[in-house]
Amino acid sequence: KQEVTQIPAALSVPEGENLVLNCSFTDSAIYNLQWFRQDPGKGLTSLLLIQSSQREQTSGRLNASLDKSSGRSTLYIAASQPGDSATYLCAVNRDSNYQLIWGAGTKLIIKP
Amino acid sequence: NAGVTQTPKFQVLKTGQSMTLQCAQDMNHNSMYWYRQDPGMGLRLIYYSASEGTTDKGEVPNGYNVSRLNKREFSLRLESAAPSQTSVYFCASSEHGGYEAFFGQGTRLTVV
Repeated sequence: KQEVTQIPAALSVPEGENLVLNCSFTDSAIYNLQWFRQDPGKGLTSLLLIQSSQREQTSGRLNASLDKSSGRSTLYIAASQPGDSATYLCAVNRDSNYQLIWGAGTKLIIKP
Repeated sequence: NAGVTQTPKFQVLKTGQSMTLQCAQDMNHNSMYWYRQDPGMGLRLIYYSASEGTTDKGEVPNGYNVSRLNKREFSLRLESAAPSQTSVYFCASSEHGGYEAFFGQGTRLTVV
């Protein structure tokens, strides 16, 4: 059974730092992996989607990598800003089916 | 540009009451989903609809029913609410299974 883990559960860093959020999964047979952002009291916003054949995806200051063989993905945030404060979730799709398997998220606080 | 719209945003029910959560998307997506999010846990899929006219159970379907009314709308019904159904409910849609998912703002439901 696929399980997705995100460590740490919470992270607080000063503004301007580069940081890495981690996501690990137990079954390497995935279709794709998605990173989402969730702001308090709001819905989820898709940040990046990495297909199983890809190694990384970039969008602005965000870079997500995927290493299927080790069951890991990282989300790199460059030059962090207070507006980046949110909970970041990763989710794995298996064999293009309809069920995303979710991590519990990392709550990120960027201190001004 | 509405995306995925859920109603209501907040609801308090008494044990045993029924209610329907409404969801509509304007992106012409084929697939729609209902998730619940509980503190400290990842999102869990309740039901999904791969395409208009079809619905299937997800990970936690007990106590819920769904209707894919048309391509735009996918509703979730609680027939007899229980305190264990206190949660935040999210509707989502994607072009197809395994594609990027777009989420509504969520419904915070409390059952007392």
